[in-house]
Amino acid sequence: DVKVTQSSRYLVKRTGEKVFLECVQDMDHENMFWYRQDPGLGLRLIYFSYDVKMKEKGDIPEGYSVSREKKERFSLILESASTNQTSMYLCASNRSRRGILDQPQHFGDGTRLSIL
Amino acid sequence: RKEVEQDPGPFNVPEGATVAFNCTYSNSASQSFFWYRQDCRKEPKLLMSVYSSGNEDGRFTAQLNRASQYISLLIRDSKLSDSATYLCVVTPRGSSNTGKLIFGQGTTLQVKP
Repeated sequence: DVKVTQSSRYLVKRTGEKVFLECVQDMDHENMFWYRQDPGLGLRLIYFSYDVKMKEKGDIPEGYSVSREKKERFSLILESASTNQTSMYLCASNRSRRGILDQPQHFGDGTRLSIL
Repeated sequence: RKEVEQDPGPFNVPEGATVAFNCTYSNSASQSFFWYRQDCRKEPKLLMSVYSSGNEDGRFTAQLNRASQYISLLIRDSKLSDSATYLCVVTPRGSSNTGKLIFGQGTTLQVKP
């Protein structure tokens, strides 16, 4: 079974703090993703990575950065947390495409982050 | 136009009912399709992949209609435990081999006793 582990289920931080969210997967997946999910807005892609040290912006990268120094670990960084970054953050991973077929993504449990 | 569109619902059905959800997608070149299930305050989990020939897993049947660019999910004999949000997922437009997928906003199902 694929295991995607996020470092915290719940996190409370203050405005202006630098916040690190960690994600580790144990299936040697090439690709990793960070999403946030807010009521009525669905899943929104923040950043993704298709290889070590590679990263690409998703739909809402502003205010975030990421780090992928090792294949199994993908970190999301809030450089200076703001109240509008209060959200549920979900990490996911998958293998690269097999032939023409994409592979499903597997999610961690999520981190509920509150910025006060 | 959104790449993936779903009716958000909620669909309220009695136990034992049959319910169907549709999802339309805009990328005619999409090759991969999935249905995910998400329970309240939990992470999305893969329910089933959707194949060109359609596929069935117990009470769940998924169909793909390429001509009309929609996929469907049929749930027979609904159980209370089927109450969840169902997310439609497709290959994004201009996709390269990065594993990126596009998630719909989901359709909420409430099964009542």
